[in-house]
Amino acid sequence: NAGVTQTPKFRVLKTGQSMTLLCAQDMNHEYMYWYRQDPGMGLRLIHYSVGEGTTAKGEVPDGYNVSRLKKQNFLLGLESAAPSQTSVYFCASSHHWGRESYEQYFGPGTRLTVT
Amino acid sequence: RKEVEQDPGPFNVPEGATVAFNCTYSNSASQSFFWYRQDCRKEPKLLMSVYSSGNEDGRFTAQLNRASQYISLLIRDSKLSDSATYLCVVNGDTGFQKLVFGTGTRLLVSP
Repeated sequence: NAGVTQTPKFRVLKTGQSMTLLCAQDMNHEYMYWYRQDPGMGLRLIHYSVGEGTTAKGEVPDGYNVSRLKKQNFLLGLESAAPSQTSVYFCASSHHWGRESYEQYFGPGTRLTVT
Repeated sequence: RKEVEQDPGPFNVPEGATVAFNCTYSNSASQSFFWYRQDCRKEPKLLMSVYSSGNEDGRFTAQLNRASQYISLLIRDSKLSDSATYLCVVNGDTGFQKLVFGTGTRLLVSP
């Protein structure tokens, strides 16, 4: 049981390049999330998904796209990377029952630098 | 005003000390509260949920004050391994599954 995994762990991009970050979870969680973490800003929600085939915008969605074609995978895409997207990206997943918030399990993160 | 506010610290304490962190939140409709721990260059991990009646887990005690909209975390008998950043987390006003994270309070425990 690996929990939440993310690939790649590190990446350096040039401005304008594109890339996809992959998140996978083996806990059969319904909800999945992408966050970015910047110094002094805390974790900010980029996009999230409440189930296979569904996605929704979070707090800072501009410049990113996501897809959830399979329940266990959640992909984050950067179509044209900008230096402002230099950050640490975390994927997370959680169960969903009723109206309560449940523990979110995080992946180890992807450190992205855009030059 | 930020939705969740924390003192960034760092709090420097000797081993064995008791240390307390507070966190304030702005959304009075919030229903779920948590403390997460994040080690340097690692992912956040749930430390404990915070219940209205207060709860304790070993050396850690969490309290919720809904009237004043703050959450506290008390760590007794600090260990070197408690050195980390502690994130206050509250469910956001746009969805019960969407969490709002504070920027964290850094704790350094020294020998």
